[in-house]
Amino acid sequence: DVKVTQSSRYLVKRTGEKVFLECVQDMDHENMFWYRQDPGLGLRLIYFSYDVKMKEKGDIPEGYSVSREKKERFSLILESASTNQTSMYLCASSLGFITGGETQYFGPGTRLLVL
Amino acid sequence: GESVGLHLPTLSVQEGDNSIINCAYSNSASDYFIWYKQESGKGPQFIIDIRSNMDKRQGQRVTVLLNKTVKHLSLQIAATQPGDSAVYFCAENIGGSYIPTFGRGTSLIVHP
Repeated sequence: DVKVTQSSRYLVKRTGEKVFLECVQDMDHENMFWYRQDPGLGLRLIYFSYDVKMKEKGDIPEGYSVSREKKERFSLILESASTNQTSMYLCASSLGFITGGETQYFGPGTRLLVL
Repeated sequence: GESVGLHLPTLSVQEGDNSIINCAYSNSASDYFIWYKQESGKGPQFIIDIRSNMDKRQGQRVTVLLNKTVKHLSLQIAATQPGDSAVYFCAENIGGSYIPTFGRGTSLIVHP
């Protein structure tokens, strides 16, 4: 089974703090993704990565950055947390560029509260 | 861009009944569809998928139906159980893309 893990289930931070969210997958997947999920807005893509050291902006990258130094690990960074970044953050991975490789598998989520 | 939508935001059923969750999609270029289940406080979990060259696919207690003529996708859950209570999302992929478009979700509530 694919396993995607996220470093924290719950996180409370203060406005202006730098926040690191870590995601690790154990299935040698090429693609990794960061989403945020808010009531009424569904899943929104923040950033994604097709390969090590590669990153692409999603629909809402403002206020976020990412890092992928190793294939299995994809980090989301909030440079200066703000209250409007309070949300559920979901990491996902997918196998890659083969038929059937599009399916995304999600981690358990990190619920972030910015005070 | 075009997006995946859902007909019903909330569906309530009795335990043991069959449930049908619907999803409309608008992009005729979409060729791969996925259903996810998300329990409260957890990440979405893959349930079943279907490609556009099929119109039906069955799993354990679940069936996905695809009607390309009317761009409609449905998830049928047989003998619904309280553990099936969750939000169900559909997602569509356009051929060649690895970024799915997700629907907003339908909340399924199963009453014992």
